[in-house]
Amino acid sequence: AQSVDQPDAHVTLSEGASLELRCSYSYSAAPYLFWYVQYPGQSLQFLLKYITGDTVVKGTKGFEAEFRKSNSSFNLKKSPAHWSDSAKYFCALEGGSNAKLTFGKGTKLSVKS
Amino acid sequence: DMKVTQMPRYLIKRMGENVLLECGQDMSHETMYWYRQDPGLGLQLIYISYDVDSNSEGDIPKGYRVSRKKREHFSLILDSAKTNQTSVYFCASRQGYEQYFGPGTRLTVL
Repeated sequence: AQSVDQPDAHVTLSEGASLELRCSYSYSAAPYLFWYVQYPGQSLQFLLKYITGDTVVKGTKGFEAEFRKSNSSFNLKKSPAHWSDSAKYFCALEGGSNAKLTFGKGTKLSVKS
Repeated sequence: DMKVTQMPRYLIKRMGENVLLECGQDMSHETMYWYRQDPGLGLQLIYISYDVDSNSEGDIPKGYRVSRKKREHFSLILDSAKTNQTSVYFCASRQGYEQYFGPGTRLTVL
């Protein structure tokens, strides 16, 4: 079984601050991990992925994430945050070779200008 | 430019009616997905299709079926819709490890 937990339903911060959105996962083998973003009223867009190799991965829009096997986490980071980063962010896990993704419930980020 | 289309974008049906949601992609991707998104629940996988006539259940397949007769099209069918199937439905196709999502269909079942 595989699962993803995003413990923060809402995060609010000021423009210019550093943002870090938390994601933890449960999976017995090596996971593939992803972040997607959903802007208000829109569909989901791919941000970045971790498959193997470097534990810090960079994605689009200035985001990066760090894979930490020791505590089963894959946190999303960006500095500085901009008001246009306000959106809902989803962490997802793919385990095994069946191409099925499990998504977390998402974190709604509000960046105040 | 990678594009996934969904029709219709909005749909209102009465309980017990049949529903057909269509998804198309012009990228010849083999793998396609249907998800539903409900407030506070994230995205839940309904079905995955690995290619024509090669479909597999996701996490919540009950009450749904799918059809994929051409690689470019993937349909989601609700036979006798229920009120708890009111949701936003997203289709996606996959290239490599990345999924490309359609704009979504907002379905209301009264």
